[in-house]
Amino acid sequence: DTEVTQTPKHLVMGMTNKKSLKCEQHMGHRAMYWYKQKAKKPPELMFVYSYEKLSINESVPSRFSPECPNSSLLNLHLHALQPEDSALYLCASSQEGLAGMINTGELFFGEGSRLTVL
Amino acid sequence: AQSVTQPDIHITVSEGASLELRCNYSYGATPYLFWYVQSPGQGLQLLLKYFSGDTLVQGIKGFEAEFKRSQSSFNLRKPSVHWSDAAEYFCAVKGRSNAGKSTFGDGTTLTVKP
Repeated sequence: DTEVTQTPKHLVMGMTNKKSLKCEQHMGHRAMYWYKQKAKKPPELMFVYSYEKLSINESVPSRFSPECPNSSLLNLHLHALQPEDSALYLCASSQEGLAGMINTGELFFGEGSRLTVL
Repeated sequence: AQSVTQPDIHITVSEGASLELRCNYSYGATPYLFWYVQSPGQGLQLLLKYFSGDTLVQGIKGFEAEFKRSQSSFNLRKPSVHWSDAAEYFCAVKGRSNAGKSTFGDGTTLTVKP
Protein backbone atom coordinates (compact mmCIF):
# COMPACT_ATOMS: atom_id res chain seq x y z
CA ASP A 1 0.00 0.00 0.00
CA THR A 2 1.31 3.40 -0.96
CA GLU A 3 1.68 6.02 1.76
CA VAL A 4 1.17 8.81 -0.75
CA THR A 5 -2.47 9.17 -1.69
CA GLN A 6 -3.59 10.87 -4.88
CA THR A 7 -7.10 11.86 -5.90
CA PRO A 8 -8.82 11.50 -8.24
CA LYS A 9 -7.44 8.36 -9.87
CA HIS A 10 -8.98 9.33 -13.19
CA LEU A 11 -10.02 12.73 -14.52
CA VAL A 12 -11.51 13.74 -17.84
CA MET A 13 -11.76 17.44 -18.56
CA GLY A 14 -12.44 19.78 -21.40
CA MET A 15 -10.03 22.47 -22.49
CA THR A 16 -12.05 25.20 -20.76
CA ASN A 17 -12.49 23.41 -17.44
CA LYS A 18 -10.79 24.12 -14.14
CA LYS A 19 -9.93 21.12 -12.01
CA SER A 20 -7.45 20.14 -9.31
CA LEU A 21 -5.36 17.11 -8.49
CA LYS A 22 -4.69 16.39 -4.84
CA CYS A 23 -1.90 14.59 -3.02
CA GLU A 24 -1.48 13.75 0.65
CA GLN A 25 1.29 12.11 2.66
CA HIS A 26 1.65 11.47 6.38
CA MET A 27 5.24 10.31 6.53
CA GLY A 28 6.52 13.64 7.81
CA HIS A 29 8.34 14.31 4.56
CA ARG A 30 9.08 17.96 3.89
CA ALA A 31 9.74 17.69 0.14
CA MET A 32 6.90 17.04 -2.29
CA TYR A 33 6.95 16.74 -6.04
CA TRP A 34 4.75 16.71 -9.11
CA TYR A 35 5.81 14.61 -12.07
CA LYS A 36 4.19 14.14 -15.47
CA GLN A 37 4.52 10.79 -17.20
CA LYS A 38 3.59 9.93 -20.76
CA ALA A 39 3.14 6.33 -21.83
CA LYS A 40 6.39 4.35 -22.10
CA LYS A 41 8.41 7.34 -20.86
CA PRO A 42 10.13 8.16 -17.57
CA PRO A 43 8.55 10.65 -15.18
CA GLU A 44 9.32 14.30 -15.97
CA LEU A 45 9.77 16.62 -13.03
CA MET A 46 7.37 19.56 -12.95
CA PHE A 47 7.58 21.13 -9.48
CA VAL A 48 9.31 20.61 -6.16
CA TYR A 49 8.18 22.01 -2.84
CA SER A 50 10.61 22.07 0.05
CA TYR A 51 9.25 23.03 3.47
CA GLU A 52 6.08 24.27 1.79
CA LYS A 53 7.98 26.64 -0.49
CA LEU A 54 8.30 26.17 -4.23
CA SER A 55 11.95 25.36 -4.84
CA ILE A 56 11.95 24.03 -8.41
CA ASN A 57 9.71 24.90 -11.36
CA GLU A 58 10.85 23.11 -14.49
CA SER A 59 9.53 25.81 -16.83
CA VAL A 60 6.04 24.38 -16.65
CA PRO A 61 3.29 26.32 -18.53
CA SER A 62 1.19 28.55 -16.33
CA ARG A 63 -1.93 26.49 -17.05
CA PHE A 64 -0.49 24.22 -14.32
CA SER A 65 -0.48 25.90 -10.92
CA PRO A 66 0.90 24.08 -7.87
CA GLU A 67 -0.05 24.78 -4.29
CA CYS A 68 1.25 23.40 -1.00
CA PRO A 69 -1.25 24.37 1.76
CA ASN A 70 0.70 22.52 4.47
CA SER A 71 3.45 19.97 4.92
CA SER A 72 1.13 17.03 4.18
CA LEU A 73 -0.81 18.32 1.18
CA LEU A 74 0.07 19.18 -2.39
CA ASN A 75 -2.34 20.33 -5.06
CA LEU A 76 -2.03 20.85 -8.78
CA HIS A 77 -4.58 23.26 -10.23
CA LEU A 78 -5.40 22.78 -13.90
CA HIS A 79 -6.90 25.38 -16.20
CA ALA A 80 -7.23 25.68 -19.97
CA LEU A 81 -5.28 22.51 -20.63
CA GLN A 82 -4.46 21.14 -24.05
CA PRO A 83 -5.00 17.56 -25.30
CA GLU A 84 -1.22 17.03 -25.23
CA ASP A 85 -1.38 17.51 -21.45
CA SER A 86 -3.12 14.16 -21.17
CA ALA A 87 -0.82 11.98 -19.07
CA LEU A 88 -0.35 10.26 -15.74
CA TYR A 89 0.41 12.84 -13.05
CA LEU A 90 2.45 11.46 -10.20
CA CYS A 91 2.94 12.97 -6.79
CA ALA A 92 5.97 11.99 -4.72
CA SER A 93 7.54 12.89 -1.42
CA SER A 94 10.95 12.51 0.16
CA GLN A 95 12.72 13.33 3.38
CA GLU A 96 14.36 16.70 3.24
CA GLY A 97 17.90 16.93 4.55
CA LEU A 98 18.30 18.12 8.10
CA ALA A 99 21.60 19.18 9.60
CA GLY A 100 23.69 16.16 10.53
CA MET A 101 21.46 13.70 8.66
CA ILE A 102 22.12 11.87 5.44
CA ASN A 103 19.33 12.53 2.99
CA THR A 104 19.52 10.00 0.21
CA GLY A 105 16.43 11.45 -1.42
CA GLU A 106 14.54 8.33 -2.43
CA LEU A 107 11.12 9.16 -3.72
CA PHE A 108 7.85 7.75 -2.44
CA PHE A 109 5.27 7.88 -5.22
CA GLY A 110 1.50 7.85 -5.22
CA GLU A 111 -0.39 5.74 -7.73
CA GLY A 112 -1.03 8.73 -9.94
CA SER A 113 -3.95 10.58 -11.46
CA ARG A 114 -4.71 9.65 -15.05
CA LEU A 115 -5.72 12.86 -16.82
CA THR A 116 -7.47 12.98 -20.19
CA VAL A 117 -8.03 16.36 -21.84
CA LEU A 118 -10.66 16.39 -24.57
CA ALA B 1 25.02 17.46 -15.72
CA GLN B 2 23.88 14.08 -14.52
CA SER B 3 22.42 11.48 -16.87
CA VAL B 4 21.32 7.87 -16.86
CA THR B 5 21.37 5.36 -19.72
CA GLN B 6 19.41 2.13 -19.75
CA PRO B 7 20.64 0.42 -22.92
CA ASP B 8 17.89 -2.19 -23.09
CA ILE B 9 14.46 -0.86 -24.03
CA HIS B 10 12.77 -4.25 -23.76
CA ILE B 11 13.88 -7.55 -22.25
CA THR B 12 12.05 -10.88 -22.33
CA VAL B 13 12.98 -13.72 -19.98
CA SER B 14 11.40 -17.02 -19.10
CA GLU B 15 9.91 -17.50 -15.68
CA GLY B 16 12.57 -18.95 -13.38
CA ALA B 17 15.45 -17.59 -15.45
CA SER B 18 17.92 -15.06 -14.14
CA LEU B 19 17.69 -11.39 -14.97
CA GLU B 20 20.10 -8.51 -15.35
CA LEU B 21 19.02 -4.98 -16.27
CA ARG B 22 21.75 -2.56 -17.17
CA CYS B 23 22.17 1.01 -15.98
CA ASN B 24 25.02 3.42 -16.69
CA TYR B 25 25.22 6.88 -15.22
CA SER B 26 27.16 10.03 -15.78
CA TYR B 27 28.01 12.22 -12.81
CA GLY B 28 31.10 14.03 -11.59
CA ALA B 29 31.30 12.18 -8.30
CA THR B 30 29.54 9.26 -6.67
CA PRO B 31 25.83 9.98 -6.73
CA TYR B 32 22.95 8.33 -4.98
CA LEU B 33 21.60 5.54 -7.21
CA PHE B 34 18.15 3.99 -7.27
CA TRP B 35 16.09 1.38 -9.04
CA TYR B 36 12.34 1.87 -9.21
CA VAL B 37 9.68 -0.48 -10.59
CA GLN B 38 6.37 0.52 -12.13
CA SER B 39 3.52 -1.88 -12.82
CA PRO B 40 0.96 -0.85 -15.47
CA GLY B 41 -1.23 2.01 -14.32
CA GLN B 42 0.64 2.35 -11.03
CA GLY B 43 3.11 4.72 -9.46
CA LEU B 44 6.79 3.93 -9.05
CA GLN B 45 8.05 1.84 -6.14
CA LEU B 46 11.60 1.89 -4.84
CA LEU B 47 13.35 -1.47 -5.25
CA LEU B 48 16.71 -0.53 -3.79
CA LYS B 49 19.23 2.25 -3.42
CA TYR B 50 22.97 2.81 -3.11
CA PHE B 51 24.44 5.70 -1.17
CA SER B 52 27.65 4.41 0.41
CA GLY B 53 29.42 1.38 1.80
CA ASP B 54 28.93 -2.13 0.43
CA THR B 55 28.70 -1.97 -3.35
CA LEU B 56 26.27 -4.90 -3.50
CA VAL B 57 22.88 -3.78 -2.24
CA GLN B 58 19.85 -5.89 -1.53
CA GLY B 59 16.35 -4.73 -2.22
CA ILE B 60 12.78 -5.87 -2.01
CA LYS B 61 11.27 -8.76 -3.99
CA GLY B 62 14.60 -10.60 -4.18
CA PHE B 63 16.38 -7.97 -6.28
CA GLU B 64 19.96 -6.85 -5.85
CA ALA B 65 22.20 -4.35 -7.60
CA GLU B 66 25.91 -3.83 -7.79
CA PHE B 67 27.57 -0.42 -7.93
CA LYS B 68 30.73 -0.43 -10.04
CA ARG B 69 32.48 2.92 -9.85
CA SER B 70 35.04 2.05 -12.53
CA GLN B 71 32.28 1.28 -15.02
CA SER B 72 29.81 3.93 -13.83
CA SER B 73 27.24 1.19 -13.66
CA PHE B 74 24.50 0.08 -11.29
CA ASN B 75 23.03 -3.10 -12.79
CA LEU B 76 19.97 -4.76 -11.32
CA ARG B 77 19.84 -8.55 -10.93
CA LYS B 78 17.49 -11.26 -9.82
CA PRO B 79 18.42 -14.95 -9.78
CA SER B 80 14.96 -16.31 -10.60
CA VAL B 81 12.26 -14.19 -12.21
CA HIS B 82 8.59 -14.57 -11.34
CA TRP B 83 5.69 -13.73 -13.65
CA SER B 84 4.74 -10.89 -11.30
CA ASP B 85 8.06 -9.17 -12.02
CA ALA B 86 6.79 -8.11 -15.45
CA ALA B 87 6.86 -4.31 -15.27
CA GLU B 88 8.78 -1.19 -16.26
CA TYR B 89 12.09 -0.66 -14.46
CA PHE B 90 13.71 2.75 -14.05
CA CYS B 91 17.23 3.50 -12.90
CA ALA B 92 17.70 6.94 -11.33
CA VAL B 93 20.55 9.08 -10.10
CA LYS B 94 20.55 11.94 -7.65
CA GLY B 95 23.45 14.19 -6.85
CA ARG B 96 24.53 14.36 -3.24
CA SER B 97 24.44 18.13 -3.24
CA ASN B 98 21.51 18.62 -5.58
CA ALA B 99 18.54 18.59 -3.29
CA GLY B 100 15.29 17.49 -4.77
CA LYS B 101 16.19 16.48 -8.32
CA SER B 102 16.49 12.89 -9.50
CA THR B 103 17.28 12.00 -13.12
CA PHE B 104 15.62 8.91 -14.53
CA GLY B 105 16.70 6.62 -17.32
CA ASP B 106 14.26 5.89 -20.13
CA GLY B 107 13.28 2.60 -18.55
CA THR B 108 13.41 -1.08 -19.46
CA THR B 109 10.23 -3.06 -20.06
CA LEU B 110 10.45 -6.58 -18.69
CA THR B 111 8.26 -9.31 -20.18
CA VAL B 112 8.17 -12.70 -18.47
CA LYS B 113 7.34 -15.77 -20.55
CA PRO B 114 5.60 -18.69 -18.86
